[in-house]
Amino acid sequence: DVKVTQSSRYLVKRTGEKVFLECVQDMDHENMFWYRQDPGLGLRLIYFSYDVKMKEKGDIPEGYSVSREKKERFSLILESASTNQTSMYLCASSFETGYGYTFGSGTRLTVV
Amino acid sequence: GIQVEQSPPDLILQEGANSTLRCNFSDSVNNLQWFHQNPWGQLINLFYIPSGTKQNGRLSATTVATERYSLLYISSSQTTDSGVYFCAVHNQAGTALIFGKGTTLSVSS
Repeated sequence: DVKVTQSSRYLVKRTGEKVFLECVQDMDHENMFWYRQDPGLGLRLIYFSYDVKMKEKGDIPEGYSVSREKKERFSLILESASTNQTSMYLCASSFETGYGYTFGSGTRLTVV
Repeated sequence: GIQVEQSPPDLILQEGANSTLRCNFSDSVNNLQWFHQNPWGQLINLFYIPSGTKQNGRLSATTVATERYSLLYISSSQTTDSGVYFCAVHNQAGTALIFGKGTTLSVSS
């Protein structure tokens, strides 16, 4: 089975901190995605990547950046965490851009 | 961009009841999928159904692409069906999935 592993299940950070959320997949997938999930808003796409060192902005990229130095790892970076970034963050990978998504278990981030 | 609307937002059922969840989308799409998120947060793909009807056990889905909607049917619901159901479609560039806001289903015994 494809596995998408997110490094932390729960994370508490202070306002202004630089935060790294890590995601690793083990099936050589080309595409990786970061979503955030908030009550009543569903999943919203932050950034995605279709190749190493390639990245594309999603619908809500403000306040975030990403890094993909290796095919299996896709990192989401909060440059200066703010309380409105408190959310559940979900990473996914897929072989094709719209098919066969596999999601990680999510990281619930609280910014205080 | 493409808009995805799901209804109802919340659904409460007794075990054994049937239900229908709806997904409307604003533009023609060639990729519609249904996902289930369990109460522990794990998202699983249920159906890839750009058109037509598919069935998997007690779940089935129908997409009428020309009328821009899809339906997910759950029959004889069980407590394990609880969670959030999302439909998702390709963004206009075809590079990523865009999700609706979800339907939260609670099935009680």
